[in-house]
Amino acid sequence: KAGVTQTPRYLIKTRGQQVTLSCSPISGHRSVSWYQQTPGQGLQFLFEYFSETQRNKGNFPGRFSGRQFSNSRSEMNVSTLELGDSALYLCASSLDLSYNSPLHFGNGTRLTVT
Amino acid sequence: DAKTTQPTSMDCAEGRAANLPCNHSTISGNEYVYWYRQIHSQGPQYIIHGLKNNETNEMASLIITEDRKSSTLILPHATLRDTAVYYCIGPPSGSARQLTFGSGTQLTVLP
Repeated sequence: KAGVTQTPRYLIKTRGQQVTLSCSPISGHRSVSWYQQTPGQGLQFLFEYFSETQRNKGNFPGRFSGRQFSNSRSEMNVSTLELGDSALYLCASSLDLSYNSPLHFGNGTRLTVT
Repeated sequence: DAKTTQPTSMDCAEGRAANLPCNHSTISGNEYVYWYRQIHSQGPQYIIHGLKNNETNEMASLIITEDRKSSTLILPHATLRDTAVYYCIGPPSGSARQLTFGSGTQLTVLP
């Protein structure tokens, strides 16, 4: 079974631009979560989607947004990029929302903002 | 959140079993213990999780003490590719299943 696929793997953008990252979950998984990982802050939760609905959102500004499609694929968008947005953005999928349903991560999109 | 404590680093000889301990004394009775690992520049990889009983899958075994205050992840035959940071984490916080990784254990498998 194919794992979580994130595209692109690497992105270089300049301040003020916007970016869209894509995530294809494991087949059959209906929940998708997004995380930001940086050396200084570690792993930080962005948001979680289930059945096209955002279930929860982390403590990030409104420049960070996301959505989930009917096929469970998800995208996240970051507008008006700042230097501090440089990070590894990770998508994780799970079968459902139960605590017994592990999150499976993709290898992330490495975003560099210059 | 349930707080976990892990050793900072461990070494293991290739081909031997790697036993990684974790203390999670604040975990509640119905909360799962999860193990993930992360190799540099890759996404975290799910390994195994458990509630009360010992668990085994194709990657590892998880031994949970009867009082549930600690657990041990066992990689039965460590290979060089098992070199990674291993995270033992309690249940995600609140209703959002927000994973939080601590410092983890840097496992180095030596040839």
